Amino acid sequence: NAGVTQTPKFQVLKTGQSMTLQCAQDMNHNSMYWYRQDPGMGLRLIYYSASEGTTDKGEVPNGYNVSRLNKREFSLRLESAAPSQTSVYFCASSEFESGSYEQYFGPGTRLTVT
Amino acid sequence: AQSVTQPDIHITVSEGASLELRCNYSYGATPYLFWYVQSPGQGLQLLLKYFSGDTLVQGIKGFEAEFKRSQSSFNLRKPSVHWSDAAEYFCAVDPYNQGGKLIFGQGTELSVKP
Repeated sequence: NAGVTQTPKFQVLKTGQSMTLQCAQDMNHNSMYWYRQDPGMGLRLIYYSASEGTTDKGEVPNGYNVSRLNKREFSLRLESAAPSQTSVYFCASSEFESGSYEQYFGPGTRLTVT
Repeated sequence: AQSVTQPDIHITVSEGASLELRCNYSYGATPYLFWYVQSPGQGLQLLLKYFSGDTLVQGIKGFEAEFKRSQSSFNLRKPSVHWSDAAEYFCAVDPYNQGGKLIFGQGTELSVKP
């Protein structure tokens, strides 16, 4: 099993450009998440999807959109990139079963906006 | 404000010494609690979690954590640190106990001296 995969691994954008970060999981999890990681701030939730067909905002959703394409895939789109969106982006998935769960994380996408 | 606090940004310990990383949270009820580790350039890996029951939790790689309700703390410990433990450690909280949105602390970077 690959777990959670993310593409691309690295990306450089100019201000105003758009791009989509892709995430896929092969664990049949219902819930998926997008976080951003900035130095000294830990990880902050951007958007999450509790199940296929549903999405909801997290702590820092401004400037982002998401699509839960199917149960496996959850993409994050930057419509007009800004330097403040320079960050490392992590996708995660989880399944709440028998009163327990953990979130499994992908390897991350390092994005630089110039 | 509700938050998760890791008071130590950076800790250096000698190989073979004991380790304690602190985590405090400010949520009214007892949330689900997690510790994750991140090696440089990697995603996050779960070390251990607490949902209920025994307040001393054993995890992978020889780590343990103790939940103290009276102190709103969930400190991570290891009796003898190995050089391979050098990494960044994140405490995380699910304040709604819904198997969903995690709130992360700022992280503690651990360096290990030979």
